[in-house]
Amino acid sequence: AQSVAQPEDQVNVAEGNPLTVKCTYSVSGNPYLFWYVQYPNRGLQFLLKYITGDNLVKGSYGFEAEFNKSQTSFHLKKPSALVSDSALYFCAVRVYTGGFKTIFGAGTRLFVKA
Amino acid sequence: NAGVMQNPRHLVRRRGQEARLRCSPMKGHSHVYWYRQLPEEGLKFMVYLQKENIIDESGMPKERFSAEFPKEGPSILRIQQVVRGDSAAYFCASSPGTGTSGNTIYFGEGSWLTVV
Repeated sequence: AQSVAQPEDQVNVAEGNPLTVKCTYSVSGNPYLFWYVQYPNRGLQFLLKYITGDNLVKGSYGFEAEFNKSQTSFHLKKPSALVSDSALYFCAVRVYTGGFKTIFGAGTRLFVKA
Repeated sequence: NAGVMQNPRHLVRRRGQEARLRCSPMKGHSHVYWYRQLPEEGLKFMVYLQKENIIDESGMPKERFSAEFPKEGPSILRIQQVVRGDSAAYFCASSPGTGTSGNTIYFGEGSWLTVV
């Protein structure tokens, strides 16, 4: 089955330190991978995506993600975390089921401590 | 350029009533997706629609739930005879046509349904 997994329910990091939120995927064919962020009582906001090309993808708010085909991973990273980065982060993958739909991981809650 | 518009933002229904949630996609988008998010849980795919056509409804409960996206007007997610377990946030997202498989989907702000 095609899926995406986020192995950590929660990530804690101190402000100013680098952060990583992990994501692994299982798809047939080429993966189309996405990261979204959700703040309390809000919809999901698109951060970045990998379709093809450079394995390091840069996105909004200083976030980036590294596509690793051999490890089937697409980890989200930021060199220096901010308290305002505290939110719920979702990894997602586009899968084909007669049309393309996007399925999401369970989410990882990021806490950035001042 | 308006984003995905959902209404109502908050809806309270008594058990047994009907809930109707509406979604207008972004301008130029012809594909609509509905997701459900239960408290402290992830996002679960429900249904994927194009105008007048359901593409994938594999995530829809077999009973009481239906969705449509008519030729004119917004997409509607309808829940009949609501029960307390239907209390959740319902998110709509939209994307352009599937000409590009890597299309990004963009979300509305959600509709929070509370069943009392």
